[in-house]
Amino acid sequence: SYVLTQPPSVSVAPGETASVTCGGNNVGSKSVHWYQQRPGQAPVLIIYYDSDRPSGISERFSGSNSGNTATLTISRVEAGDEADYYCQVWDSSNHHPVFGGGTQLTVL
Amino acid sequence: QVTLKESGPVLVKPTETLTLTCTVSGFSLSNARMSVSWIRQPPGKALEWLAHVFSNDLKSYSTSLKNRLTISKDTSKSQVVLTLNNVDPVDTATYFCVRMISGGSYSFDYWGQGTLVTVSS
Repeated sequence: SYVLTQPPSVSVAPGETASVTCGGNNVGSKSVHWYQQRPGQAPVLIIYYDSDRPSGISERFSGSNSGNTATLTISRVEAGDEADYYCQVWDSSNHHPVFGGGTQLTVL
Repeated sequence: QVTLKESGPVLVKPTETLTLTCTVSGFSLSNARMSVSWIRQPPGKALEWLAHVFSNDLKSYSTSLKNRLTISKDTSKSQVVLTLNNVDPVDTATYFCVRMISGGSYSFDYWGQGTLVTVSS
């Protein structure tokens, strides 16, 4: 089945830009969705269809997807961005969703 | 306002059957663009999709768990029920009920708060 690979952790200083990658075979041909999960809370959809933001999500969050890598970019990182981030696609071959293993973002 | 709320036991013994109910509001389970999934997360681990049921009652299950899972819906009650039989301590997790929305792909736009289920004797 389809596999998405994320780095376990990413660290960034406040005010800097963080990039979280999501690798998969020809993932650029799929739509990638991103979720933020703060400690003790349910995940929240922050990017859908590679680069669209739901209402209420900060414009500091952006996404891109090409080739074998999708990327979530968080600009001007704040302490409140510290969370786990998951990418997700739809595996059309097996008719079910696939999640990446998650990336823990640490704000230094 | 869309909400999903999970309910069920907090503690289940090994080999027993776990039954979880998701009660939704703010949308109809008969809406063709929307379906409900169950996703779980063991403590400190990643999200794992379990099952979903579409408006037309089409169901899909995780390959690794399909022999133990059953999902069903009652549109009139706005409820989706998940059963997991023969539970084991490795099934200890927070179980989330989630709305899945379609539009070319499928994403999860509304999540329940989750319910922590512990499997222990």
